[in-house]
Amino acid sequence: AQKITQTQPGMFVQEKEAVTLDCTYDTSDPSYGLFWYKQPSSGEMIFLIYQGSYDQQNATEGRYSLNFQKARKSANLVISASQLGDSAMYFCAMREGDFSGGYNKLIFGAGTRLAVHP
Amino acid sequence: DTAVSQTPKYLVTQMGNDKSIKCEQNLGHDTMYWYKQDSKKFLKIMFSYNNKELIINETVPNRFSPKSPDKAHLNLHINSLELGDSAVYFCASSPQPGQGRAGELFFGEGSRLTVL
Repeated sequence: AQKITQTQPGMFVQEKEAVTLDCTYDTSDPSYGLFWYKQPSSGEMIFLIYQGSYDQQNATEGRYSLNFQKARKSANLVISASQLGDSAMYFCAMREGDFSGGYNKLIFGAGTRLAVHP
Repeated sequence: DTAVSQTPKYLVTQMGNDKSIKCEQNLGHDTMYWYKQDSKKFLKIMFSYNNKELIINETVPNRFSPKSPDKAHLNLHINSLELGDSAVYFCASSPQPGQGRAGELFFGEGSRLTVL
């Protein structure tokens, strides 16, 4: 079974509009973390936002917010006021467990390609 | 200044050759990784090292051999290169638990390997 599912291979949004990128996850571990990374066409991986499984509040980082619905096992990324520079691949990733003993494996979804139109 | 640096950035080589990619991090992290991103952009972990000790070894052909001479360096050597090895290889590191976001990966810029 897929641990991380991103069902939208591609998304389009008009500049200045908000957009939601979907991510669902599957784990039975009570301790986990969810990450979103951005990969522009230049290829580097850029950290955007993090949500821990025990965090009570939804994470926010500037124009990025994470809509965390634990019971539904979803962690959607919301980008407000889209900019042309937001055009990129976006990856959702999950860490299972609490990284004890040095064991850490981030599992990535297949990604969503976002295109922002002027 | 670069936190996680990989060399070379581009590598074009013939099938059957042996090549290495080097990675260094100056963040003081204990854990380092190699991830492979295929042509469909799918990212998958290959190896992780914690304080020079191999922790994760996914089902990777044994033509791939990582080496960590110290906790700031993790190199990847690939023997007898095959066409299917063409990919972007990312090195990454993570801070120790309790320092920052647990499990966050700090990525290098990637090394694009093309096997002809």
